[in-house]
Amino acid sequence: EAGVVQSPRYKIIEKKQPVAFWCNPISGHNTLYWYRQNLGQGPELLIRYENEEAVDDSQLPKDRFSAERLKGVDSTLKIQPAELGDSAVYLCASSFRDRGISPLHFGNGTRLTVT
Amino acid sequence: DQQVKQNSPSLSVQEGRISILNCDYTNSMFDYFLWYKKYPAEGPTFLISISSIKDKNEDGRFTVFLNKSAKHLSLHIVPSQPGDSAVYFCAAIYNNDMRFGAGTRLTVKP
Repeated sequence: EAGVVQSPRYKIIEKKQPVAFWCNPISGHNTLYWYRQNLGQGPELLIRYENEEAVDDSQLPKDRFSAERLKGVDSTLKIQPAELGDSAVYLCASSFRDRGISPLHFGNGTRLTVT
Repeated sequence: DQQVKQNSPSLSVQEGRISILNCDYTNSMFDYFLWYKKYPAEGPTFLISISSIKDKNEDGRFTVFLNKSAKHLSLHIVPSQPGDSAVYFCAAIYNNDMRFGAGTRLTVKP
């Protein structure tokens, strides 16, 4: 099966510029996650979708970050305007949540550098 | 708040020997635990998991042990192989909320 696909792999922008990341989850997975991973740390959840609904966005900095998951499949994460502290790897993951626990499948991430 | 902690940033072992990676957690409500493996420039890959109702789960060379009273879990890799060199993250779940540790970089020397 094809894995989670993210693009771009790398992005370098100047501060105050906008940036967007795209994620295509594994076919049939109803749950999609966006994580941010800073250097030397573990991934931290930004937002979780179940189908089209954002069920947990408590850690998303809503003043500058936004996300959408149209038709319950692909998703985009946007930052506007970017700040120096936003430099990190942004990971998308998906899972099929029915009953019980389903491990997350991660994409290769987008490494963002804000200069 | 760091609810999941991996206190060893790195670990180096000889090929063929046992690798033991440790993880501690503070939230007693966590009911499921996972280990992920990450190679450079790739996303984390699921390795093995354990429910809080068990104390051991084994899959080939990988075994996860859970000590609920100590809020501690560990991953044993026996025998270790050079291809196991990667960063290992432990993760814990409660109410669909997954928290990750900071990771341990394992180096297996030939």
